[in-house]
Amino acid sequence: GDSVTQMEGPVTLSEEACLTINCTYTATGYPSLFWYVQYPGEGLQLLLKATKADDKGSNKGFEATYRKETTSFHLEKGSVQVSDSAVYFCALSITGNTPLVFGKGTRLSVIA
Amino acid sequence: NAGVMQNPRHLVRRRGQEARLRCSPMKGHSHVYWYRQLPEEGLKFMVYLQKENIIDESGMPKERFSAEFPKEGPSILRIQQVVRGDSAAYFCASSPNSGRAYEQYFGPGTRLTVT
Repeated sequence: GDSVTQMEGPVTLSEEACLTINCTYTATGYPSLFWYVQYPGEGLQLLLKATKADDKGSNKGFEATYRKETTSFHLEKGSVQVSDSAVYFCALSITGNTPLVFGKGTRLSVIA
Repeated sequence: NAGVMQNPRHLVRRRGQEARLRCSPMKGHSHVYWYRQLPEEGLKFMVYLQKENIIDESGMPKERFSAEFPKEGPSILRIQQVVRGDSAAYFCASSPNSGRAYEQYFGPGTRLTVT
């Protein structure tokens, strides 16, 4: 079946450090890929997305590139802030209006 | 433009009671999904509904759990005779009918605690 594997946390970084959270997927078709962020006590917010190979999603300084050859969608940010502390989920969807398949999430803590 | 609404935000039930969780999708969305998040886990799909129809319930436990999305009103996830293992955060998401149908927008969740 379809699945998402992302690096386990927790990840602790100092402010202004570089961030990479790895995400790889297994899918029978050509999925759309997503990163969601969950701040403490809140629901999930869509951070960025990519719908086809080589697409780059970006938002709030975060980026991820859809790599079909390596089935990956790694999340990157050049300089993290304390306010980026949250849990980050990688997810895929095979087609529109189908359930999302999530990774287990990676908890990021950024310290000043 | 209100987002996805869920209520209650927190729900405490004793073992054996019923839990009812409500979800109102975003305006213009008629696709609703329910997910469950266990502590320190990712979200697991439970059920996908459109108005008056269950499209996919492959993630729903076979017993005690049911969901509906009536023509009028919110979607309801019902858990009968709750057990401690039902304690989790339950999230609802909605998506548009067309266009960006692959984008799901999440509500703030209902945190169910079974004592």
